Amino acid sequence: QQQVRQSSQSLTVWEGETAILNCSYENSAFDYFPWYQQFPGEGPALLIAIRSVSDKKEDGRFTIFFNKREKNLSLHIKDSQPGDSATYFCAPTSGGNYKPTFGKGTSLVVHP
Amino acid sequence: NSKVIQTPRYLVKGQGQKAKMRCIPEKGHPVVFWYQQNKNNEFKFLINFQNQEVLQQIDMTEKRFSAECPSNSPCSLEIQSSEAGDSALYLCASSLGQGANERLFFGHGTKLSVL
Repeated sequence: QQQVRQSSQSLTVWEGETAILNCSYENSAFDYFPWYQQFPGEGPALLIAIRSVSDKKEDGRFTIFFNKREKNLSLHIKDSQPGDSATYFCAPTSGGNYKPTFGKGTSLVVHP
Repeated sequence: NSKVIQTPRYLVKGQGQKAKMRCIPEKGHPVVFWYQQNKNNEFKFLINFQNQEVLQQIDMTEKRFSAECPSNSPCSLEIQSSEAGDSALYLCASSLGQGANERLFFGHGTKLSVL
C-alpha cells in the first residue's frame, strides 16, 4: 500500500516555465507536509512545508497548494531555473507518529 | 552545507561482510533517523532515536541490522552480514524534536555497494 504517491516520476520544463509537482496521500492523520529537494550525491534538504490548517504556503518562487478534502497537494516552482533540476520528495508526517513517509520523488529537469 | 556528518561517503563490501557506517547529528539535535534510499529513490525508514533511546524501528526480523546512538559518540548503523540487496544510500538525519513540524536535516549519506 502506497501511502504517499507522487504522480510523476519525472518532469521536464523549459527555463522560465512553472513546474507543477503533485502529491497525494491516504493517511488522514498527516498534518505536516514538507517538500524536500535532493541533488545527486547529496542528502535531501527541506525546501518548503505546509501545515494542514493552511491551504497555501508561498516562499519566493515556491508555492504549495494544499487540498485537505481531496488529500492532495502540489508544489509550484515559478520561473524555473536550471539550478532547480533535482528530485523533489513529498514527505508528510503526523503528530502522533512522527516518522516522515516519503513519496517516490519527482525528478525535475529544467532545460535552459 | 550539511551539518550532519556521515562517514564514510562510500563503502564497498563483499557479501557476508560486516558493514558499519557512522553519523554525527547536528549539534543540539536529540532525534536521529536512519533511512535507506534505494536506486529507485524509494525511502525506507529503518530506526530513530531520541538521545540514546530507540523511538521506532522497523521489524528487523533478519537481525542483520543494528543501530545505536551512544552518548558522546557518533551514532552508528551496522549490517552484520551484507547482502546484494542492501546496496543503497543510507541517510542519517537529525531534528530538534519529535513534533510534527520538525524538519529533518540530512547528511550526504553513505553509499553502500555490496559486491
